Amino acid sequence: DTGVSQDPRHKITKRGQNVTFRCDPISEHNRLYWYRQTLGQGPEFLTYFQNEAQLEKSRLLSDRFSAERPKGSFSTLEIQRTEQGDSAMYLCASSSPGQGAGELFFGEGSRLTVL
Amino acid sequence: QKEVEQNSGPLSVPEGAIASLNCTYSDRGSQSFFWYRQYSGKSPELIMFIYSNGDKEDGRFTAQLNKASQYVSLLIRDSQPSDSATYLCAVNMNRDDKIIFGKGTRLHILP
Repeated sequence: DTGVSQDPRHKITKRGQNVTFRCDPISEHNRLYWYRQTLGQGPEFLTYFQNEAQLEKSRLLSDRFSAERPKGSFSTLEIQRTEQGDSAMYLCASSSPGQGAGELFFGEGSRLTVL
Repeated sequence: QKEVEQNSGPLSVPEGAIASLNCTYSDRGSQSFFWYRQYSGKSPELIMFIYSNGDKEDGRFTAQLNKASQYVSLLIRDSQPSDSATYLCAVNMNRDDKIIFGKGTRLHILP
């Protein structure tokens, strides 16, 4: 399977715990995006990378959220001290630059439930 | 003002009719525009992109772009029940390809 893969698919945690999600993009794609989506809303931009460089992090994102892409391949999104409001689907997508930019290929998402 | 705005719907259209979905964006410098379809419980998938003013047709789908009015639309001809989904408008906001989505329009095709 050469698509975008995300792990875990589902995560249930208690308030205050830390969680980490992993995304493996399509191998030849150097851009990687993280979005958060709640019911009835569109994907909300969180952050994105070109190779290992983080280009931008949403101003709406608290310091509890951090993302890395250490070798320009897979990426991790960590949420520290989770809150109930963090419950959402976390979507990862990848793309190639230039003409392919904006043509995002999404993974199946990681659903977070904070109790 | 939100960066990408869409009417959340639901938009109900009889089978076989034309469905018209609209989107406006705030950044006049945006250069590329996308329509994604998202079925319930699934991830978004790209169905159309448009870079130039005017119309772009692909099968039953036509994307329309008017940069002067900062307006993008998607027409679906001969609507089918399988077209029932949420349609997300996305805009490439800058040279570094930051992609912002609208909240989506729920489309329901009535059999």
